[in-house]
Amino acid sequence: TQLLEQSPQFLSIQEGENLTVYCNSSSVFSSLQWYRQEPGEGPVLLVTVVTGGEVKKLKRLTFQFGDARKDSSLHITAAQPGDTGLYLCAGAAGPYNQGGKLIFGQGTELSVKP
Amino acid sequence: DTEVTQTPKHLVMGMTNKKSLKCEQHMGHRAMYWYKQKAKKPPELMFVYSYEKLSINESVPSRFSPECPNSSLLNLHLHALQPEDSALYLCASSHGGRNEKLFFGSGTQLSVL
Repeated sequence: TQLLEQSPQFLSIQEGENLTVYCNSSSVFSSLQWYRQEPGEGPVLLVTVVTGGEVKKLKRLTFQFGDARKDSSLHITAAQPGDTGLYLCAGAAGPYNQGGKLIFGQGTELSVKP
Repeated sequence: DTEVTQTPKHLVMGMTNKKSLKCEQHMGHRAMYWYKQKAKKPPELMFVYSYEKLSINESVPSRFSPECPNSSLLNLHLHALQPEDSALYLCASSHGGRNEKLFFGSGTQLSVL
């Protein structure tokens, strides 16, 4: 069974601080995605990383895919209250029409206080 | 149009009621999904439709019955639900390729009394 362990589960920080969220597995994934979800809404895709060692930047967010494609991290610089939400990593093991599934981590609940 | 539209946004139903959740997308996606999500937990996959055919059923109880009338529509029929079925029900769609980027709707918040 493929699992994604996401840490930390909860994070409460002050505006302006930096933070890193980790997503780890013993399994190899063809890609890893990061989603952000606000209360009462569906998750919204932030980024997809595909190549081992890949680094992608989205404004103050930096995403990295491990060399072995088993882990990923999300780093936020100078967090703002608008970054508050549930962050989910999700790994793709294969296409759905061939029985593949998107495996979600347990999520990180981030609260950024002004 | 890059939206997945779900209706209703909120639903309260009794354990003897029959209701349906609806989902629509016009992005030409060939895979559509139903997820169930409890508060502050990750979404749990329920069903996957690929090219309008049910390809994955994650051992969901028969009181949940999915239907895919065409490539743009996905329904979830509910009957004789239990209070523990109260949750946010999310619909999603994707191109159907390997990397499976999901586009989620805003969900239906369901309360079963």
